Amino acid sequence: EPEVTQTPSHQVTQMGQEVILRCVPISNHLYFYWYRQILGQKVEFLVSFYNNEISEKSEIFDDQFSVERPDGSNFTLKIRSTKLEDSAMYFCASRGLSESSYNEQFFGPGTRLTVL
Amino acid sequence: GESVGLHLPTLSVQEGDNSIINCAYSNSASDYFIWYKQESGKGPQFIIDIRSNMDKRQGQRVTVLLNKTVKHLSLQIAATQPGDSAVYFCAETGATNKLIFGTGTLLAVQP
Repeated sequence: EPEVTQTPSHQVTQMGQEVILRCVPISNHLYFYWYRQILGQKVEFLVSFYNNEISEKSEIFDDQFSVERPDGSNFTLKIRSTKLEDSAMYFCASRGLSESSYNEQFFGPGTRLTVL
Repeated sequence: GESVGLHLPTLSVQEGDNSIINCAYSNSASDYFIWYKQESGKGPQFIIDIRSNMDKRQGQRVTVLLNKTVKHLSLQIAATQPGDSAVYFCAETGATNKLIFGTGTLLAVQP
């Protein structure tokens, strides 16, 4: 069964450093998303991406964040200068055009980002 | 100060019993509602969804009920099994397709 994959599974970084979180969405999917989940809290939307551009972004997704689809398979989230409060689990999700359920977004296993 | 949010609502059931998990949503304009299951250390996993023009939808061992009058969503799990133990989130979505998740409920199944 096709699945969304994410690397690394755990990233530890120093405050102020840049990190890039990587995702490989399901191959025929066209819509891509990043969400984050601070420990013990609910999952929060960050950004959606379609046709090589951002469709929507939340207030969390400020100038320190960027997304890119550098090739036909990867979808990345970059945080330019990490802050302590960026520590969270980051989930990538993708969605196709003709799923059996209208809005089924398939989530990856997540990358745990720890900012020290 | 604000809690770190570790105090999830918890539902504890015996194996074999039926479980009902409830959720209140916020946006009356949402047109899809979805239940996700999240096991420890994993990403959310789709369970079932329901369109806003329906009030009930059944899947395998799961039923979702939607009450738009009071903006309430519930997930019923029949014959709950230990493998059902997880955090369950409701989510809503509209025209933009971004998912807005609820707080989550921890389902603990006792053998």
